[in-house]
Amino acid sequence: GEDVEQSLFLSVREGDSSVINCTYTDSSSTYLYWYKQEPGAGLQLLTYIFSNMDMKQDQRLTVLLNKKDKHLSLRIADTQTGDSAIYFCAERVDNYGQNFVFGPGTRLSVLP
Amino acid sequence: NAGVTQTPKFRILKIGQSMTLQCTQDMNHNYMYWYRQDPGMGLKLIYYSVGAGITDKGEVPNGYNVSRSTTEDFPLRLELAAPSQTSVYFCASRLRDTEAFFGQGTRLTVV
Repeated sequence: GEDVEQSLFLSVREGDSSVINCTYTDSSSTYLYWYKQEPGAGLQLLTYIFSNMDMKQDQRLTVLLNKKDKHLSLRIADTQTGDSAIYFCAERVDNYGQNFVFGPGTRLSVLP
Repeated sequence: NAGVTQTPKFRILKIGQSMTLQCTQDMNHNYMYWYRQDPGMGLKLIYYSVGAGITDKGEVPNGYNVSRSTTEDFPLRLELAAPSQTSVYFCASRLRDTEAFFGQGTRLTVV
């Protein structure tokens, strides 16, 4: 079945860049997403990328997609303490009502 | 425009009790989903609905039931609560080709 993998933890210093990596298995995925979850809150969409794109940039966020390796990354430039959260990678698959398959989430800690 | 609203935010149940987690959205979205989030496990799909009157099982449906009598509402029912159902539950909705919008979650503890 579909599976999305991420490392569980990442720590960076304030002002540095953060790179969160994700691998997925469904080669037919048309959309890939990054969601952010702050403590006690729901998931908030950060950005998404169509599978026919290699890169998408949105202010401090850069998403890179390597379809051949089924690898997705999220780079946050100039990481701030407000970026501390759990980041979920997700792919949209064509079963279960075009459901989203989520990775386990990467907990980003930003150190002062 | 409230988005996706879940109630309650927190609940403690005793083993064997039943309860309904409410979810409503005011965006006229046809797709709605219920997920549970366990630590380090990501989100697992419990049930989903592609429109009013239509529901179907996701990956982990055992112990749960849903209904979708209106476009707006998608309640999740636990009939006989078990400790394994201790989790955070998220409801989500979307239109056909957009991202999913999530509620704030319901933290359920079964003791």
